Amino acid sequence: DAGVIQSPRHEVTEMGQEVTLRCKPISGHNSLFWYRQTMMRGLELLIYFNNNVPIDDSGMPEDRFSAKMPNASFSTLKIQPSEPRDSAVYFCASSFPRYEQYFGPGTRLTVT
Amino acid sequence: AQKVTQAQTEISVVEKEDVTLDCVYETRDTTYYLFWYKQPPSGELVFLIRRNSFDEQNEISGRYSWNFQKSTSSFNFTITASQVVDSAVYFCALSEEGTYKYIFGTGTRLKVLA
Repeated sequence: DAGVIQSPRHEVTEMGQEVTLRCKPISGHNSLFWYRQTMMRGLELLIYFNNNVPIDDSGMPEDRFSAKMPNASFSTLKIQPSEPRDSAVYFCASSFPRYEQYFGPGTRLTVT
Repeated sequence: AQKVTQAQTEISVVEKEDVTLDCVYETRDTTYYLFWYKQPPSGELVFLIRRNSFDEQNEISGRYSWNFQKSTSSFNFTITASQVVDSAVYFCALSEEGTYKYIFGTGTRLKVLA
């Protein structure tokens, strides 16, 4: 079975540009999470969806970040405009409710 | 308050040595879940184990074993006869019943030297 799929795996962009990260959760999972990992702050939960509905976006750093889940098999995380401090690895994870989360391979974002 | 402490920042061992990674947690709930994840140098987070608070049986999977002790709020992870491929950062996490959020520890970097 395919795991969580993320694209792109690497993204290098200039400050001010729009960045869109994509995620396909494991089929059948109805919970989806976006995380950010940096050396300074570790793993941070950005937003959580359940049944395609955003339940908790309190971890989204600011209005420049937005996330959508238009259907059960696709989610996006958008940063507009991007800033150098957004450089991090962004992970998407999915699960059945209250079960273990399975993580995608991550997208390494570099904003110059 | 929920908290997960992995006091060992980095551990180095020689191949074939046994190594134990410590995880201490804090929670007021009686029902909760504990997890271990592995993050190898390639970067992905790999799920290793999930344990619920009512199941204190130790778990063994090949060279990996986990010791869950509610009395000391610990969920330690032991690798027997370590191998170079075990080199990774290992994260312990806690999730309380009724919440989807994981509280991650800061991770322990394990280096296994040939």
